[in-house]
Amino acid sequence: SQQGEEDPQALSIQEGENATMNCSYKTSINNLQWYRQNSGRGLVHLILIRSNEREKHSGRLRVTLDTSKKSSSLLITASRAADTASYFCATDAKDYKLSFGAGTTVTVRA
Amino acid sequence: NAGVTQTPKFRVLKTGQSMTLLCAQDMNHEYMYWYRQDPGMGLRLIHYSVGEGTTAKGEVPDGYNVSRLKKQNFLLGLESAAPSQTSVYFCASRRDNYNEQFFGPGTRLTVL
Repeated sequence: SQQGEEDPQALSIQEGENATMNCSYKTSINNLQWYRQNSGRGLVHLILIRSNEREKHSGRLRVTLDTSKKSSSLLITASRAADTASYFCATDAKDYKLSFGAGTTVTVRA
Repeated sequence: NAGVTQTPKFRVLKTGQSMTLLCAQDMNHEYMYWYRQDPGMGLRLIHYSVGEGTTAKGEVPDGYNVSRLKKQNFLLGLESAAPSQTSVYFCASRRDNYNEQFFGPGTRLTVL
């Protein structure tokens, strides 16, 4: 079963705007990871946040983690057309495996 | 480094045929994984391996078998393909239990 669930399922924004998507999960985790998938391609790792971290930045990406609420958010600032993709959260629950959500499809309009 | 590679990229099978998908990684990673992705869904884990000679079942293992005879290769077999196995298959590897997974480009399989 998929532990992580992303919200919203789809998001359409104008170039230059920010995009925020959320992930909720059920069990305790080692870390939480975000991946991007461009159409027809494999997943690419974006950022990993460990269970003892609350916020992490990487370029235009900002990830937060609230373990008390079992939730995470991914913010993409100043979006570009190249950010059009599906974004997945994956939870790492200390058992060698990652559990992926169904993803958020982001469309950035020019 | 090539990273994670998958062979073949596309394949069409008839119901009942068999095939093997090959995944290879050149990063000396211990863990390897096979997923399937269906439209509008995330990735579902089929089987995984935590080291050479080891395999374990994931979320949706029925109808699939795997082998990890060499550390760098992870094979996924379909003994008798069914239309329900039409999907995109992704292989991934990771160094250990605390880091990210690296994905291959995928194999698009259609079973008629």
